[in-house]
Amino acid sequence: EPEVTQTPSHQVTQMGQEVILRCVPISNHLYFYWYRQILGQKVEFLVSFYNNEISEKSEIFDDQFSVERPDGSNFTLKIRSTKLEDSAMYFCASKSTAQETQYFGPGTRLLVL
Amino acid sequence: QKEVEQNSGPLSVPEGAIASLNCTYSDRGSQSFFWYRQYSGKSPELIMSIYSNGDKEDGRFTAQLNKASQYVSLLIRDSQPSDSATYLCAAWPYSSASKIIFGSGTRLSIRP
Repeated sequence: EPEVTQTPSHQVTQMGQEVILRCVPISNHLYFYWYRQILGQKVEFLVSFYNNEISEKSEIFDDQFSVERPDGSNFTLKIRSTKLEDSAMYFCASKSTAQETQYFGPGTRLLVL
Repeated sequence: QKEVEQNSGPLSVPEGAIASLNCTYSDRGSQSFFWYRQYSGKSPELIMSIYSNGDKEDGRFTAQLNKASQYVSLLIRDSQPSDSATYLCAAWPYSSASKIIFGSGTRLSIRP
């Protein structure tokens, strides 16, 4: 069964460094999303992406964040200058046009020291 | 502010019994509702989706939706230890590109 994949599974970085989190959505899906979950808290929406542009973003998704679909398969989230409070699990999700269900990848656990 | 509210639990249910999980939502424009299961340290995994008022059954799981009361529930029959997890209720509004709004989750523990 097709699934969303994410790399790396874990990332440790120093505060102020740039990180890029990578996702490969399900192949025929056209809607892509990033969510994050700080330990012990709810899953929070960051950004949605469709037709090569951002459809919606939350107030968390400030100028330090960017997304890109560099080729036909990858979808990336870049954090330019990480802060301690960016430490969280980051989930990529994708959705087809035919369904409302979003399918989640396994996540990248980001730790900012 | 569009919210999805859940009792955080923990909800403790004996093995073989029915677990009942509840959720309310604030946005009347929400069209679709989802129950995701999340094991500790893992990603949300879809259990059920429901779009129309009434009940929807899938194996041991039944989702119930009442749009007038803005209420969604999930029943798990014949609870198993593997059902122990956090259950996330989520609402999806009206636009295809829109985000899912998650509740904070109810932690369910099935005791032998």
